[in-house]
Amino acid sequence: DAGVIQSPRHEVTEMGQEVTLRCKPISGHDYLFWYRQTMMRGLELLIYFNNNVPIDDSGMPEDRFSAKMPNASFSTLKIQPSEPRDSAVYFCASSLGGVQPQHFGDGTRLSIL
Amino acid sequence: KQEVTQIPAALSVPEGENLVLNCSFTDSAIYNLQWFRQDPGKGLTSLLLIQSSQREQTSGRLNASLDKSSGRSTLYIAASQPGDSATYLCAVFSGSARQLTFGSGTQLTVLP
Repeated sequence: DAGVIQSPRHEVTEMGQEVTLRCKPISGHDYLFWYRQTMMRGLELLIYFNNNVPIDDSGMPEDRFSAKMPNASFSTLKIQPSEPRDSAVYFCASSLGGVQPQHFGDGTRLSIL
Repeated sequence: KQEVTQIPAALSVPEGENLVLNCSFTDSAIYNLQWFRQDPGKGLTSLLLIQSSQREQTSGRLNASLDKSSGRSTLYIAASQPGDSATYLCAVFSGSARQLTFGSGTQLTVLP
């Protein structure tokens, strides 16, 4: 079975540029989660979707961050404009049911210069 | 707000030792608790999930226990191997927040 697929694996861009991170969840999973991991704050939930609908975006740090899930097999996390403090590893995870084990992708390592 | 603490932050042991990683959480109203493993540059791999009604789960050399009333969980690794070297994260799924809250992890090094 294919796991959660994230792209790109690495992204380096300059401050002010738009960044788009992509995620393909495991087929059949109805929950999708976006996390951010930093040394200072650890793993934080940014937003999650159920059946393509955003349920809780209280973890999204600022209006510069937005996430969409146009269909069951694809989600994007966008940062516009990007800032150096956005540098982190961003993970996508999916699960079948909200309380079931979450399966994580390998993450996107984002560096904003 | 749920808070999850893991002790120790780092641990180094010789190969073959049995070891215990600790996790504590502040809000006992949880659905389940998961232990994850994270290798450098990789995502998280779920090791064990304990439902709130369970006391422990076992998988191979791993055993996780849960004491919901005291807000504690332990991950026991038997006969440690260098391949066990990784960061181990504890996460609780809280009823109130309806989301996973992660600890900061324990970085384990098993020396050959």
